[in-house]
Amino acid sequence: QVQLVQSGSEVKKPGASVKVSCKASGYTFTTYGISWVRQAPGQGLEWMGWISAYNGNTHYAEKFQGRVTMTTDTSTSTAYMDLRSLRSDDTAVYYCARVAGADYFPHWGQGTLVTVSS
Amino acid sequence: EIVLTQSPGTLSLSPGERATLSCRASQTVTSSYLAWYQQKPGQAPRLLISGASSRATGIPDRFSGSGSGTDFTLTISRLEPEDFAVYYCQQYGSSPRTFGQGTKVEIK
Repeated sequence: QVQLVQSGSEVKKPGASVKVSCKASGYTFTTYGISWVRQAPGQGLEWMGWISAYNGNTHYAEKFQGRVTMTTDTSTSTAYMDLRSLRSDDTAVYYCARVAGADYFPHWGQGTLVTVSS
Repeated sequence: EIVLTQSPGTLSLSPGERATLSCRASQTVTSSYLAWYQQKPGQAPRLLISGASSRATGIPDRFSGSGSGTDFTLTISRLEPEDFAVYYCQQYGSSPRTFGQGTKVEIK
């Protein structure tokens, strides 16, 4: 079965960077893209962007352009999301989600809590 | 950017009752590329519906989706205890992909 296993919680200071990983199993990694979605405490879901696991093409939400980098390592079937210049309002649970072909999400990671605090 | 507005914000119902959740888009959602998710506290969202009306694998038939254009509806025909949760709609016809703010279905 499809599984997405994310890295553990992180605590970062404002201005720092964080890199969250998402290890996929149960399917051919390069067949489907991965999106990243975040959820601030008590808030709704926010789409950050998408990466093709086939060729590494990316598409980022304008809000995160210049601050986020999404990559993949096909040798380990792992996707990464790197967010820089962290602010307190970046405190959130970050999810990776495998797309279905079209950009909806039948499979999700368990989430990674990133806390930004001085 | 397509803004999705969900209503009501909270729905207070009893088990066995019918739940009707609305999702209205600020622009036409291309090709009815509209999905619905259920989220329980401390869990990742679970896909219920894609393409406005297609149930995802393993989703009970008490969940149904309908609509097109700018108006979409998720209906739960008879609420089971495990259905009390927050529900989100998401459009994937335009970029950026966007989610509604959620509707909480709570036990009355």
